[in-house]
Amino acid sequence: EVQLVESGGDLVQPGGSLRLSCGASGFRFSNYWIHWVRQAPGQGLVWVSHINGDGTRTSYADSVKGRFTISRDNAKNTLYLQMNSLRAEDTAVYYCLITNLGWGQGTRVTVSS
Amino acid sequence: EVVLTQSPGTLSLSPGERATLSCRASQSVNSNHLAWHQHKPGQAPRVLIYGTSSRATGVPDRFSGSGSGTDFTLTISRLEPEDSAVYYCQQDVNAPNTFGQGTKLEIK
Repeated sequence: EVQLVESGGDLVQPGGSLRLSCGASGFRFSNYWIHWVRQAPGQGLVWVSHINGDGTRTSYADSVKGRFTISRDNAKNTLYLQMNSLRAEDTAVYYCLITNLGWGQGTRVTVSS
Repeated sequence: EVVLTQSPGTLSLSPGERATLSCRASQSVNSNHLAWHQHKPGQAPRVLIYGTSSRATGVPDRFSGSGSGTDFTLTISRLEPEDSAVYYCQQDVNAPNTFGQGTKLEIK
């Protein structure tokens, strides 16, 4: 069974940092591109970033470029999102997604003083 | 950036009816990289369709996808009450990847 499990969401002050993780099981992790997607309160789904199977290619939404870094550890079957210089507008539920396989359950990030 | 525009914004139909949801792209999208997702309140989204027309594991055959170029369609035949949700199209070939704004499907 394909499983994606996010963790690391928390309440953080503006300007702070957070690292999200997405653990994977049930499939060959290194074969797939993986995305981070977020949903702010009352809003739709917004693509944040993606990374290819061996971690050599990444891309970011303009709203997070220079502040967020996506990475993966294929030996640990885990995807990461390092989030720095957090802003109130980064408040959202963050999901990992493999388009052909499925979504994680999400982890909540709240940026507030 | 490829902008995906979904229509209608809201759709209200009765059980047993057929729903047709549209996703129009601002430029051509490789059909291998167009997906549809279902999102119910309080739940994680769910992949319905990938590669324009391939159903994800466990998705009933009432759900079907079609299209090419800039015009894509999700069709739900024989609506059931549990189909009430917001439906999003997504393209994941052109960076930045993008989602449509969603179509809210209400079952009367």
